[in-house]
Amino acid sequence: QSALPQPASLSGSPGQSITISCTGTSFDVGGYNFVSWYQQHPGKAPKLIIYDVSKRPSGVSNRFSGSKSGNTASLTISGLQAEDEADYYCSSYTSSTTFWVFGGGTKLTVL
Amino acid sequence: EVQLVESGGGLVQPGGSLRLSCGASGFTFRTYSMHWVRQAPGKGLEYVSAINDNGGSTYYASSVKGRFTISRDNSRNTLYLQMGGLKTEDMAVYYCARGVGSGSYLDYWGQGTLVIVSS
Repeated sequence: QSALPQPASLSGSPGQSITISCTGTSFDVGGYNFVSWYQQHPGKAPKLIIYDVSKRPSGVSNRFSGSKSGNTASLTISGLQAEDEADYYCSSYTSSTTFWVFGGGTKLTVL
Repeated sequence: EVQLVESGGGLVQPGGSLRLSCGASGFTFRTYSMHWVRQAPGKGLEYVSAINDNGGSTYYASSVKGRFTISRDNSRNTLYLQMGGLKTEDMAVYYCARGVGSGSYLDYWGQGTLVIVSS
């Protein structure tokens, strides 16, 4: 199972909003509401920020939101802050392998 | 406080074996699925293996199927990954993570343990 396509990099200025896309198929993103998003700072373990497409774990800023349309999931970060600079990965269950798959990751730079 | 602590990483020659462990605390280990995820140097995340709460069901990425075995000891609150036939492409930081919900999103992660495969 190949990684779900994500833009390799994105950038934004403080205060702006950005959206990271995660493109799948009807066998994964489009077929299940089991999309999650993870934030990873350099040298650190990933951190869950969105699960079940659009739910936020306790303690995660409401500046992070998730959505899905068809086979594409999206993570939106509003009011960008310097600490948002990190790598972001989507993930989905996939019936093609009855396992889970990550996206390729997006490196977010806050200018 | 939920804690996951991996151990067992290190340097191994191609074709060799290694067993990783993940000690869990701060939650009822036997009620959660557990996962191994790896990250090669400078690369993205890759699911490796998963096991359900009672150990009765296991899942593997195609890249490791037949070479790796996931297991758990609920009496010791410990998750394992037995790795065999190691290849240079298996070199990575290996994270254990707790799975939650029908979609098994990973809500807690360990700090990772580095596996180096080199002659």
